[in-house]
Amino acid sequence: LAKTTQPISMDSYEGQEVNITCSHNNIATNDYITWYQQFPSQGPRFIIQGYKTKVTNEVASLFIPADRKSSTLSLPRVSLSDTAVYYCLVGLYNFNKFYFGSGTKLNVKP
Amino acid sequence: SQTIHQWPATLVQPVGSPLSLECTVEGTSNPNLYWYRQAAGRGLQLLFYSVGIGQISSEVPQNLSASRPQDRQFILSSKKLLLSDSGFYLCAWVGGSGTGELFFGEGSRLTVL
Repeated sequence: LAKTTQPISMDSYEGQEVNITCSHNNIATNDYITWYQQFPSQGPRFIIQGYKTKVTNEVASLFIPADRKSSTLSLPRVSLSDTAVYYCLVGLYNFNKFYFGSGTKLNVKP
Repeated sequence: SQTIHQWPATLVQPVGSPLSLECTVEGTSNPNLYWYRQAAGRGLQLLFYSVGIGQISSEVPQNLSASRPQDRQFILSSKKLLLSDSGFYLCAWVGGSGTGELFFGEGSRLTVL
């Protein structure tokens, strides 16, 4: 399964757009890219998933370039409540294994 | 709708004591189930996963074991806890919509003293 690399931490201010990039150089043809959000003492929560190009839902956008070796999670106009750890996962789901990397700790300041 | 529950929520155990954490899923059948552990300030480590009753795949732990006695029940056990077993244990199941979305329980925080 493809290994992922993310920044350890990021700081932002309320109202700003935040972009978190994940590197996955050895992503396989059939792999999907999924992002999760985790608050302290809670399990991770699904944010968004994509395969290529751009995906948008009510909370985030996911940008995937043509070579798919990286992906960027975009959070528009963050608030203090977006302070959390964000994980990027890459994998083929019928392998039945889901591996989380170290994640990116996002700190949103007032 | 589907729900997943874990218990106990918090546990303090001495080194060398046994452990049993339980996870139950409701509202779905034959789910893929997972146990993860998160040490303080770290990411999630996949411990076990199961695709059906009695079918357990182990990823890492040497002194932990898992069992799936019923379709929607997943149990994590240890005969003798180590200090390094302290952490936040999370049970999860994967949705059947085809997206591979993981749904997590509330977690069980284990402190081994």
